[in-house]
Amino acid sequence: DVKVTQSSRYLVKRTGEKVFLECVQDMDHENMFWYRQDPGLGLRLIYFSYDVKMKEKGDIPEGYSVSREKKERFSLILESASTNQTSMYLCASGKTGTSYEQYFGPGTRLTVT
Amino acid sequence: AQSVAQPEDQVNVAEGNPLTVKCTYSVSGNPYLFWYVQYPNRGLQFLLKYITGDNLVKGSYGFEAEFNKSQTSFHLKKPSALVSDSALYFCAVSPNTGFQKLVFGTGTRLLVSP
Repeated sequence: DVKVTQSSRYLVKRTGEKVFLECVQDMDHENMFWYRQDPGLGLRLIYFSYDVKMKEKGDIPEGYSVSREKKERFSLILESASTNQTSMYLCASGKTGTSYEQYFGPGTRLTVT
Repeated sequence: AQSVAQPEDQVNVAEGNPLTVKCTYSVSGNPYLFWYVQYPNRGLQFLLKYITGDNLVKGSYGFEAEFNKSQTSFHLKKPSALVSDSALYFCAVSPNTGFQKLVFGTGTRLLVSP
């Protein structure tokens, strides 16, 4: 079974702090994704990566950056957390090919106070 | 631009009755369509997908979905609902860029009553 793990299930940070969210997948997938999930808005893509050290902006990249130094690990960074970044963050991975399925981690619920 | 619409925020159905969760999409070219389910405090789980071929797609837990090109719809169905089907359901479409990007709908909460 594909396993995608995220470093924290719940996280509370203060405004202005630098926040790191880590995601690790164990299936040698080329593609990795970061989404945020908000009620009534569904999932919105923040950033994705199709290879080590490669990254592409998604639909809402402002205020976020990412890092992918190893194939299995994809980090989301909030340089200076703000209250409007309080959300559920979901990481996903997928193999390049025709199936296009993405496999999701359990999510990190981030609260910025 | 690609988009997905899930017109119902919530669907209520009694256990044993058939259920339908609606999804319509807008995408250029041939769509790749997906349904995911999210149980409380969990990540999303893949249910089923349409890539090509038969318009009726069968997936996990007895769910199926029908691709209708003329109506640009991909409704999720199940002949007999279970209380354990209560969850949040997301429809998604791939813009077919080659990078597996998915565009998600806003989600529909399914509530199955005993």
